[in-house]
Amino acid sequence: NAGVTQTPKFRILKIGQSMTLQCTQDMNHNYMYWYRQDPGMGLKLIYYSVGAGITDKGEVPNGYNVSRSTTEDFPLRLELAAPSQTSVYFCASRDSSYNEQFFGPGTRLTVL
Amino acid sequence: AQRVTQPEKLLSVFKGAPVELKCNYSYSGSPELFWYVQYSRQRLQLLLRHISRESIKGFTADLNKGETSFHLKKPFAQEEDSAMYYCALGASGTYKYIFGTGTRLKVLA
Repeated sequence: NAGVTQTPKFRILKIGQSMTLQCTQDMNHNYMYWYRQDPGMGLKLIYYSVGAGITDKGEVPNGYNVSRSTTEDFPLRLELAAPSQTSVYFCASRDSSYNEQFFGPGTRLTVL
Repeated sequence: AQRVTQPEKLLSVFKGAPVELKCNYSYSGSPELFWYVQYSRQRLQLLLRHISRESIKGFTADLNKGETSFHLKKPFAQEEDSAMYYCALGASGTYKYIFGTGTRLKVLA
């Protein structure tokens, strides 16, 4: 089991560019999450999904979009990158019957 | 409003000393509380959940509903405990979690 994988590990974007952060899990978990981690701010929930085809906004969804076409994949899309989106992004998943979240290794994104 | 507060950004203790990382929460319903840990160059992983009432790596945490706290404790710190610790609240009836800002624990030799 690879668990939760994220690509890329690092990325530098210019203002206005777009990109997709990939997240895949092989544990057949229904629930998946995207967080951003800013220095000194903890983890903020961006979007989450309770199953294929179902997504919902978290605390800080502006500037992001998600989709969940399969159980395994939960990509996060940035359409017009802004410096305020410079952060470390974590994807996580959990089983529907047990509350433990499993995290990916993170993607460090810098927008210049 | 739902909130998790970790008042200390950094906690430094000497090896063998007791450790207490503080976590307070604000939630009107029945919360589920967790401690997650992130060791250097590793991903976040679950350390404890209050429902389990277990001790992991010598750490324990007791949910105090009266004080709305879930402090993490260890009687004798070890150097390998140095890491970032996050307290998290899972709101019942939702699928969302709220994380605190984290406390960096440094255990000095």
